[in-house]
Amino acid sequence: DTEVTQTPKHLVMGMTNKKSLKCEQHMGHRAMYWYKQKAKKPPELMFVYSYEKLSINESVPSRFSPECPNSSLLNLHLHALQPEDSALYLCASSQVPWGQGHNEQFFGPGTRLTVL
Amino acid sequence: KQEVTQIPAALSVPEGENLVLNCSFTDSAIYNLQWFRQDPGKGLTSLLLIQSSQREQTSGRLNASLDKSSGRSTLYIAASQPGDSATYLCAAQGGSEKLVFGKGTKLTVNP
Repeated sequence: DTEVTQTPKHLVMGMTNKKSLKCEQHMGHRAMYWYKQKAKKPPELMFVYSYEKLSINESVPSRFSPECPNSSLLNLHLHALQPEDSALYLCASSQVPWGQGHNEQFFGPGTRLTVL
Repeated sequence: KQEVTQIPAALSVPEGENLVLNCSFTDSAIYNLQWFRQDPGKGLTSLLLIQSSQREQTSGRLNASLDKSSGRSTLYIAASQPGDSATYLCAAQGGSEKLVFGKGTKLTVNP
């Protein structure tokens, strides 16, 4: 298996809802990432997990809560989001752990999130 | 702070044409430079990664070059096809290990 999968593909939620995004990879990669991408903009890094521990939090609001239950799975829990949080959320993974130099990142197909 | 620029922002060419996409970066102290393709509303597909010690990488009709001293990378697409239509992003990875992306070049290949 040489891909990163993300579910759901699309998600519509109200500002009071709680939802979660899921990302999986079965390539044995040691680092996993969450990115946010607004329309016509490049991806922006949100979180980095390495060896299932949070390594980087790019000052993301607490309404976004990441979780890495095991080496293959990365979740992003969403609560009390704002309409401006509507975006494409991308997950990525890399074989080389964070902090060990260069690492090639492989991206999933993304989850299109709309907050009403 | 690393800055990555891609020119042009958009490019439209007839099918069969060879083309070059440009990427420039301000800090030459990079680990690697990665080229991605993104179709509308989709994720990023990694096309080529050039390590800092390499000058170029090739995959099929794609060839990417890297000149660290001048802070430039190019992506050459041979014999373009309508299926090549997409946005192409380059990203530089340096000491912070974060990918610094350009804003992309939107390519349209007309049949």
